Amino acid sequence: KNQVEQSPQSLIILEGKNCTLQCNYTVSPFSNLRWYKQDTGRGPVSLTIMTFSENTKSNGRYTATLDADTKQSSLHITASQLSDSASYICVVRETSGTYKYIFGTGTRLKVLA
Amino acid sequence: DADVTQTPRNRITKTGKRIMLECSQTKGHDRMYWYRQDPGLGLRLIYYSFDVKDINKGEISDGYSVSRQAQAKFSLSLESAIPNQTALYFCATSDTLAESYNEQFFGPGTRLTVL
Repeated sequence: KNQVEQSPQSLIILEGKNCTLQCNYTVSPFSNLRWYKQDTGRGPVSLTIMTFSENTKSNGRYTATLDADTKQSSLHITASQLSDSASYICVVRETSGTYKYIFGTGTRLKVLA
Repeated sequence: DADVTQTPRNRITKTGKRIMLECSQTKGHDRMYWYRQDPGLGLRLIYYSFDVKDINKGEISDGYSVSRQAQAKFSLSLESAIPNQTALYFCATSDTLAESYNEQFFGPGTRLTVL
């Protein structure tokens, strides 16, 4: 069964620090991998997207990496801000059959002042 | 979020009641989706539609039905609500073009509580 697993489940860091969130997936073949940010009570908003041939993508202080050989992705947040407090969701899109989107359960990040 | 709107934003109802959640989009996208989100679980697909009158079941369609009467509107119905349908519901849209990227845009969500 195609799955997307994220770690850690939750993370607390101090403002200004860096952190890295992990995503391991078994989806194969896949079209793209996306990281979303979801604020509490809001819909997910896209941060980065990478196709299977890309291995890094940045969006401001957010940098995502992808290793298609080991089926791992990471999201690195630099110089964290209080507004980074949110859930971060990894989503992999299949290319077989129905082109489904497989969602991870997310990492809940809290940034403290 | 403003391009994809959902109504109502919050709803409390009783077991057995019929409920309809509405989704509207101004992005001009062909594809629309309904997901539910439960604590500790990833978003799960209920139904999706690739065009007007096109309806496809997702992984958890039992107990739900949908209607796509216009490109911009996709409604989700719970014919007889039960407590385990208490969840956060999201509508999403995507464009047929740019297939390799095909970003989904999500609405703000509807928090449904079934007592």
